[in-house]
Amino acid sequence: QKEVEQDPGPLSVPEGAIVSLNCTYSNSAFQYFMWYRQYSRKGPELLMYTYSSGNKEDGRFTAQVDKSSKYISLFIRDSQPSDSATYLCAMDTSYGKLTFGQGTILTVHP
Amino acid sequence: DAGVTQSPTHLIKTRGQQVTLRCSPKSGHDTVSWYQQALGQGPQFIFQYYEEEERQRGNFPDRFSGHQFPNYSSELNVNALLLGDSALYLCASSLVRVSGSYEQYFGPGTRLTVT
Repeated sequence: QKEVEQDPGPLSVPEGAIVSLNCTYSNSAFQYFMWYRQYSRKGPELLMYTYSSGNKEDGRFTAQVDKSSKYISLFIRDSQPSDSATYLCAMDTSYGKLTFGQGTILTVHP
Repeated sequence: DAGVTQSPTHLIKTRGQQVTLRCSPKSGHDTVSWYQQALGQGPQFIFQYYEEEERQRGNFPDRFSGHQFPNYSSELNVNALLLGDSALYLCASSLVRVSGSYEQYFGPGTRLTVT
């Protein structure tokens, strides 16, 4: 079993929809939780960075962490075609050794 | 402010050869980590360098080695290349914060193809 599980999708939604992306994990030592966006043939771009449980909002993006359930989510409101990309969740116990999910491919169509 | 840069962009090597990839961290960052990303998969941690020393290592064989220079730039070396080493190699830089968090910023990657 992988330490971090992420549904690879693909996920296809109409423009303006609310998108929900999720990851589950098994290592209770994870303290830091991240979401990255990766466009085709590019490096991952850091979207959200959270510590421990709780919510964090940044514009159209909201990250949620539930450590009791070992479950994290990223919500994208008013999705745009430019949001079409692969979304990667990543986790860290400390010191920056990130463990990534497989990535979810998202397509937002006009 | 330049972000993380990597060179070369693409590389084609033959099985058994050796390769060196290079990374310059984001300005002000002192820690460099390397990841391997196979097609359709998430990145996998190779190792991390801080103060010119390897501080952490993932589950990769000794064929993978690295170096960090006094200006914080880094190299990843892979010896005796295998077909399975074909992947996107990502460099990430970070600055350790007082809180202990490591926000990592990735470069564009080097795509290595082994034939």
